[in-house]
Amino acid sequence: GEEVAQTPKHLVRGEGQKAKLYCAPIKGHSYVFWYQQVLKNEFKFLISFQNENVFDETGMPKERFSAKCLPNSPCSLEIQATKLEDSAVYFCASSQRDPQRVGYTFGSGTRLTVV
Amino acid sequence: GQQLNQSPQSMFIQEGEDVSMNCTSSSIFNTWLWYKQDPGEGPVLLIALYKAGELTSNGRLTAQFGITRKDSFLNISASIPSDVGIYFCAGAIQGAQKLVFGQGTRLTINP
Repeated sequence: GEEVAQTPKHLVRGEGQKAKLYCAPIKGHSYVFWYQQVLKNEFKFLISFQNENVFDETGMPKERFSAKCLPNSPCSLEIQATKLEDSAVYFCASSQRDPQRVGYTFGSGTRLTVV
Repeated sequence: GQQLNQSPQSMFIQEGEDVSMNCTSSSIFNTWLWYKQDPGEGPVLLIALYKAGELTSNGRLTAQFGITRKDSFLNISASIPSDVGIYFCAGAIQGAQKLVFGQGTRLTINP
């Protein structure tokens, strides 16, 4: 489709539980990005993929966060043992080619609430 | 790391007024982008800038890529109610696919 589809729209988890978020990029887009938007609207970069390969994971808290983009499957972002501070809106974005030249298309986000 | 300082943080204006917001950085960027985010939605790309000095328009929106490559501004002319939202600048440095975002400017229009 012509939109980045993120599911679920809302997710509530108890502290310590696992959370898994999904993202279907626009068909034909080979770059996928995950960002975390916290309360003060700040966007924090987490990880990027070029096709199924991790391109840049410098923003990932690796001890609890992991992500995958496998062929013919939605991309996923998984948080093991969630903490209260993980509460945020997680955005996925995709780009057809060089993101520096065309920018990204963002999904509508998944709001994760950890209680 | 790279940081973008976006100002103002918020604006309260009357319908029909012009709006101006800007972003500055201590780092040089190859690309400047301006996004708008509505409540409950992801950011939507408004304007993309690729060359120092470039001035680009999209309807009532005009944005410029600063000559020093360390700043950009966005102007909105004759604001209308649907302009309400949060505007973000974003920049990319040479060789990096990820974007660095400003803190956002929240635009409110008084009826």
